[in-house]
Amino acid sequence: QSALTQPASVSGSPGQSITMSCTGTSSDIGRYNLVSWYQQNPGKAPKLMIYEVTERPSGVSNRFSGSKSGNTASLTISGLQGEDEADYYCCSYADNSGFANWVFGGGTKVTVL
Amino acid sequence: QVQLVESGGGVVQPGGSLRLSCAASGLTFSTSVMHWVRQAPGKGLEWLAVIRYDGNGIYYSDSVKGRFSISRDNSKNTLFLQMNRLRAEDTAVYYCAKEPTSKYYFDYWGQGTLVTVSS
Repeated sequence: QSALTQPASVSGSPGQSITMSCTGTSSDIGRYNLVSWYQQNPGKAPKLMIYEVTERPSGVSNRFSGSKSGNTASLTISGLQGEDEADYYCCSYADNSGFANWVFGGGTKVTVL
Repeated sequence: QVQLVESGGGVVQPGGSLRLSCAASGLTFSTSVMHWVRQAPGKGLEWLAVIRYDGNGIYYSDSVKGRFSISRDNSKNTLFLQMNRLRAEDTAVYYCAKEPTSKYYFDYWGQGTLVTVSS
């Protein structure tokens, strides 16, 4: 199972909106509405930001939103803030020849200019 | 609150073995689906293995299948990862993570334990 494809970096100024993509295949993102997104700060554990493509866990700012079209999922951060500077990883459930499998993207580094 | 605490990491020679543990608290461990995920230095996240609440429904990534074994002791609220025939490319921080049952995402993560495979 190949990793999902994410841009290496995305940047924006405070207050702007940015969107990062996550491209998979018809075996993962395209087949299941089971995309999740994680924020990771240096030296820290990942934190769940979005699940089931569009759902936000309690406590996560509504500035974070998710979407999906075909084999590509996206994470949008609105009203960018300095605290949003981090690495972001997408993840999708996939069926690997009948076996459960999860695949991550390579990560996108968000820089607040 | 939910706490996951990994332990057992360290330095091991290529071909060696190591057993990681993940102690869980603040949740009903016996009904929780648990995963192992790793992150090589400077790299992205990689899913490794899942075990359902009753110890069945075990699946592995192709990269560790046949070398790693996931297990759990519900009486001790502990998850394990037995790692055999370790390679240099297994060097990583290993995280345990909890999945809300049949929801296919990870809502809680441990702080990770570093495994270094080097001679």
